Amino acid sequence: QSALTQPASVSGSPGQSITISCTGTSSDVGGYTYVSWYQQYPGKAPKVLIYDVTKRPSGVSNRFSGSKSGNTASLTISGLQAEDEADYYCCSYAGSSIVVFGGGTKLTVL
Amino acid sequence: QVQLQESGPGLVKPSGTLSLTCAVSGGSISSSNWWNWVRQPPGKGLEWIGEIYHSGSTNYNPSLKSRVTISIDKSKNQFSLKLNSVTAADTAVYYCARDAVRYWFDPWGQGTLVTVSS
Repeated sequence: QSALTQPASVSGSPGQSITISCTGTSSDVGGYTYVSWYQQYPGKAPKVLIYDVTKRPSGVSNRFSGSKSGNTASLTISGLQAEDEADYYCCSYAGSSIVVFGGGTKLTVL
Repeated sequence: QVQLQESGPGLVKPSGTLSLTCAVSGGSISSSNWWNWVRQPPGKGLEWIGEIYHSGSTNYNPSLKSRVTISIDKSKNQFSLKLNSVTAADTAVYYCARDAVRYWFDPWGQGTLVTVSS
């Protein structure tokens, strides 16, 4: 299974909205509603932001939202804040009890 | 709430076996969850290694399947990872994580760095 494709980096100014894409195939992202997104600060463990494409776990800010169209999932962060500067990873079920992650995207808040 | 903690040697020799344990506290490893290992080479992305259920059923990343064994010890409320025939490419931070419902991970352990070097 190949890693899902994410842009290496994105940037935005405080208050703006940004979107991170996650492109897979019909065998993973496009074939299931099991896409999740994680935020990771340097030296820290990942933290889940979104699961099942659009759902937010309790305690996660509603500034984070997820969507999917075809083989591409997206994470949108609205009202960008300095604390959002981190790495972001998508993850998808890929069938046959296998999970695949994206390559990661570094978000810079300008 | 459930917490996970990885432990094991931080240095493994090439061609040797990497062995890590994940202790689960605040909940039972016999709950209806799968228990996972994920790794992250320095400066790189996340890679799913595999998972185990309390019944002993396992699923592995096909790219690592020939070298990986995940086991569970319900009496100690912990699960373990063994990766054999390691090379420098296996140097990474290794995380254990619970599959919260199905196919999303929460919580995660803090991670432990394993370096493969002579």
